Amino acid sequence: EVVMTQSPATLSVSPGDTATLSCRASQSVNRKLAWYQQKPGQAPRLLIYDASARATGVPARFSGSGSGTEFTLTINSLRSEDFAVYFCQQYSVWPPWTFGHGTKVEI
Amino acid sequence: QVQLGESGGGLVKPGGSLRLSCTVSGFTLSDSYMSWIRQAPGKGLEWVSHISLNGRVTYYADSVKGRFIISKDTARNSLDLQMSSLRAEDTAVYFCARHTFGPDAFDIWGHGTLVTVSS
Repeated sequence: EVVMTQSPATLSVSPGDTATLSCRASQSVNRKLAWYQQKPGQAPRLLIYDASARATGVPARFSGSGSGTEFTLTINSLRSEDFAVYFCQQYSVWPPWTFGHGTKVEI
Repeated sequence: QVQLGESGGGLVKPGGSLRLSCTVSGFTLSDSYMSWIRQAPGKGLEWVSHISLNGRVTYYADSVKGRFIISKDTARNSLDLQMSSLRAEDTAVYFCARHTFGPDAFDIWGHGTLVTVSS
């Protein structure tokens, strides 16, 4: 099973800042990595797939990078609606499809 | 509009059974890989089960193998999860989700249905 490790667990930032979230895989997943945003009481929302491709309707301030075992989600010019929990997920080695434990982006 | 909607959650005693359904609209179930994913209260996301396009290939997390059964009912355009021998640790919000192009990321999620296993 590929273990996904996210850091930090919590990121405290201010509106207008840039947030940098990290995700590490226990083995190479090539670029088969997705990022999701989840707000309280809501389902996760796909932001990024294939490590850097933005899903439909996702603002350009969200960007993903990385390959192999190290990945980054960058959120530029943070807006109030961006404060949420972010999960990474690998789909290179399955089953199981595995998620990180999440990074909470808070004010 | 592409949508998923889960139903069937509720309170069940340990050892009991429950059947979750996920109604699909805006796309054809037989054209999509689908999964169930759960989230225990205050916790992260855990993939539970996956089913192929034609429904003939299924996968399960070790934690539910032998107790849960995933299926597609194309006539009803519904994805189902039959859960039996439920345990307290199965308590979670259960989401159905559509894989994007292949068995990869999840682009469409339902709102989730809460399953509580407690005596």
